[in-house]
Amino acid sequence: KAGVTQTPRYLIKTRGQQVTLSCSPISGHRSVSWYQQTPGQGLQFLFEYFSETQRNKGNFPGRFSGRQFSNSRSEMNVSTLELGDSALYLCASSDRQGNTEAFFGQGTRLTVV
Amino acid sequence: GENVEQHPSTLSVQEGDSAVIKCTYSDSASNYFPWYKQELGKRPQLIIDIRSNVGEKKDQRIAVTLNKTAKHFSLHITETQPEDSAVYFCAASPPWGNTPLVFGKGTRLSVIA
Repeated sequence: KAGVTQTPRYLIKTRGQQVTLSCSPISGHRSVSWYQQTPGQGLQFLFEYFSETQRNKGNFPGRFSGRQFSNSRSEMNVSTLELGDSALYLCASSDRQGNTEAFFGQGTRLTVV
Repeated sequence: GENVEQHPSTLSVQEGDSAVIKCTYSDSASNYFPWYKQELGKRPQLIIDIRSNVGEKKDQRIAVTLNKTAKHFSLHITETQPEDSAVYFCAASPPWGNTPLVFGKGTRLSVIA
């Protein structure tokens, strides 16, 4: 069974631009969560989608948004990029919400210059 | 909401020695505690998890212990090998299905040959 797939793997953007990241979960998984990983800060929760609905949101500004499609694929958008947005963005899928193993993708490395 | 503290942030051990990583959580309702290993440049992967109805779980050289009263859980790696070098993350999740995993900030383990 295919794992979680994130595209693109690497991105370089300029301050002020916007970016869209994509995540395809494991087939049959309806929950997709997004995390920002930076050195020293671990995995900070951005948001979670389940059956096309955002069920949880972390403590990030409104520039960070997302959505989930009927096939459970999810996208994350960051507008008006700042240098501090440079990070590894990981998505994770699971077969139900919470309280269960999350399967991570390889991540998208975003660099803002 | 849940808050997870993880210590130490870095740990160096000699090959063959044991390594212990500790986490504390704040929400007494949390009942699922996974540990993830992230090797350099790779995705986090589940290595062991424990639910609150047991106090200890072992899988070969890896074990996790849980103290519900004190709200802490620990990862124990015995007979460490160079391939155990990685960043380890603990996480906690409450039993209701609409909250995401909350991660600690990670421990960078270095096993010195």
